[in-house]
Amino acid sequence: QLQLQESGPRLLKPSETLSVTCTVSGGSIISSGYYWGWIRQPPGKGLEWIGNVYYTGITYYSPSLESRVTISVDTAKNQFSLRLTSVTAADTADYYCARLNHAWHFDYWGQGTLVTVSS
Amino acid sequence: QTVVTQEPSFSVSPGGTVTLTCGLNSGSVSTSHYSSWYQRTPGQAPRTLIYNTNTRSSGVPDRFSGSIVENKAALTITGAQADDDSDYYCLLHMPSGIWVFGGGTKLTVL
Repeated sequence: QLQLQESGPRLLKPSETLSVTCTVSGGSIISSGYYWGWIRQPPGKGLEWIGNVYYTGITYYSPSLESRVTISVDTAKNQFSLRLTSVTAADTADYYCARLNHAWHFDYWGQGTLVTVSS
Repeated sequence: QTVVTQEPSFSVSPGGTVTLTCGLNSGSVSTSHYSSWYQRTPGQAPRTLIYNTNTRSSGVPDRFSGSIVENKAALTITGAQADDDSDYYCLLHMPSGIWVFGGGTKLTVL
């Protein structure tokens, strides 16, 4: 059974850089046809797609976040990571990693990690 | 900017039928947008109900169905139950390769 687990700092100050890692177990991140994505949900608001990465390093980003986001993959560790620079309180959210499968939907999700931005 | 629109809220009686929709500010939704629908329950990861417009995810009751209705993606619940009281999100794939969630619909079953 594929499992995804997010990890990273939970509390940041404004202007700092958010870094969250997703560890994939029960399957290989080097699987043909699968993208790996990041989605977030601020408290009381809706889901927001952040971006996807393929194991080769191909990435797609939300236009609204593209200037601050980097998603990378570490095939040796079976992990992929999210980096978001210059955070503000508006970046406070539950951050989820997920697998985008061949049928073009996110079928496996991590449990999510709440990242709070506060001075 | 691509905006995906959903009804902010909807109400349905137990046993009733409700159709939630997912529209696109730039035009019509078609099967090429690979629309999917997620149920969001507090404390749990989102659960896929429908993908590729009308394919029901494994284990999802057949009272949930997906379609395209009047140029919008649609999620229909036939015979709503109390535990369908939840938030529902659609997700669309754009030709540019990006994905966009709708704002979500809060469904109340009462």
